[in-house]
Order: sequence, then structure tokens, then C-alpha cells
Amino acid sequence: NAGVTQTPKFRVLKTGQSMTLLCAQDMNHEYMYWYRQDPGMGLRLIHYSVGEGTTAKGEVPDGYNVSRLKKQNFLLGLESAAPSQTSVYFCASFPGLGAPDTQYFGPGTRLTVL
Amino acid sequence: AQKITQTQPGMFVQEKEAVTLDCTYDTSDPSYGLFWYKQPSSGEMIFLIYQGSYDQQNATEGRYSLNFQKARKSANLVISASQLGDSAMYFCAMREGAGNTGKLIFGQGTTLQVKP
Repeated sequence: NAGVTQTPKFRVLKTGQSMTLLCAQDMNHEYMYWYRQDPGMGLRLIHYSVGEGTTAKGEVPDGYNVSRLKKQNFLLGLESAAPSQTSVYFCASFPGLGAPDTQYFGPGTRLTVL
Repeated sequence: AQKITQTQPGMFVQEKEAVTLDCTYDTSDPSYGLFWYKQPSSGEMIFLIYQGSYDQQNATEGRYSLNFQKARKSANLVISASQLGDSAMYFCAMREGAGNTGKLIFGQGTTLQVKP
């Protein structure tokens, strides 16, 4: 049981390049989330999904796209990376409402855009 | 409007002493949950403690307790008998019940340093 995994752990991009961050969870959770954390700040929600095939915008969605084609995977895409997207990206999953449970976080991906 | 406020950017505490990290929140939803997370220098998010809005008693988990004052909309984290390993960034977060999205809203965090 690996929990929530993120690929890659580190990445350096040049401005304008594209990339996809992969989040995978093996806990059969319905809900998944992508957050970004900038230095000295808390996590901010980028996009989220409440089930396979569904996605929705969070607080800071501009410049990102997501897909949830399979329940266990949640992909975050940057089509044209900008230096402002330099951040640490966390994925999280959540079993669903009704339980006083925390979200389960992945280890994070450190992205630098030059 | 900021929904989670942590007013202490940095805190120091002597080893073995207790420390309180402040958190205030703002919501009109009667059903919500409050969380505290620890983020050590290695970067992972570690869940510490949870308090539901309808819980009558303050939550406790080992050396962690949550001082929940609903009328004041505060959810302070108390760490008893501080250890050097408690040095980390601490985040307060809230999940509102409305919308059934499970989204978390985070505060900006408090950096705690434990002195030997």
C-alpha cells in the first residue's frame, strides 16, 4: 500500500515548455486534489476532482489543466510553463465525505521554471 | 477574505515546554472541520489532529491538543513537552461542509523552532 505517489519528484523546465505531473493513489479514494505551495506560504488549491471523469477549478487554476481518466490517477498539466509556476506541487486524495478523515498527501514535486 | 489566519509567522519554545500555535477561522457554514498539519524541512505534510464543528470535546492526539473555541472561531494547537523534532512549519486548515467537495483551505503557517 503505497498511499499517494507523485511523479516526478523534481523537475526543471524552461519558460514555454510543457509537462505533466502524475499523481497516483491506491486507496480507492473518490476525491483528489492538486495544491501548490510557494515559499513561506500555505497550500493553495489548483484543481480537484470528486470522481473519475470529473474535474473542477480551485483557487488558482490559471495556467494548469487536469484530467482524471482513471479513479486512481490525477494528472496536472502545464501547457506553457512560466517562472510564476515555480513551486512545490502536492497531490492529495480523500475517501469521501461523511468521515472525519484527513486528506492524504503525496510527497510533493518541486518544479523550477527558468 | 482570508478564511484561515495564523498570526504568528515564527515561534520559539524551549525543549520540554508547552507551546500554543494560534489559528482563527471564518465560515458561515455550520458544518466544518479543522485540521493541523506539520511540515518538517523534508517537505512532507503530516496530519496531526482534527476537530469537527459539532464535537463537544477538544481533540487530543498524544502530545497534541486542539483548543477549540467555537464562539471565538479559534482552533489553537497546543504541543506539550516540546521536542527538538517538533521544529517545523505548522499549518491550520479548514474543510467546509457545503458543496461536498472536501476542499481544504490553509493558513499561511507558523514556523516553530524548539531550542535545546
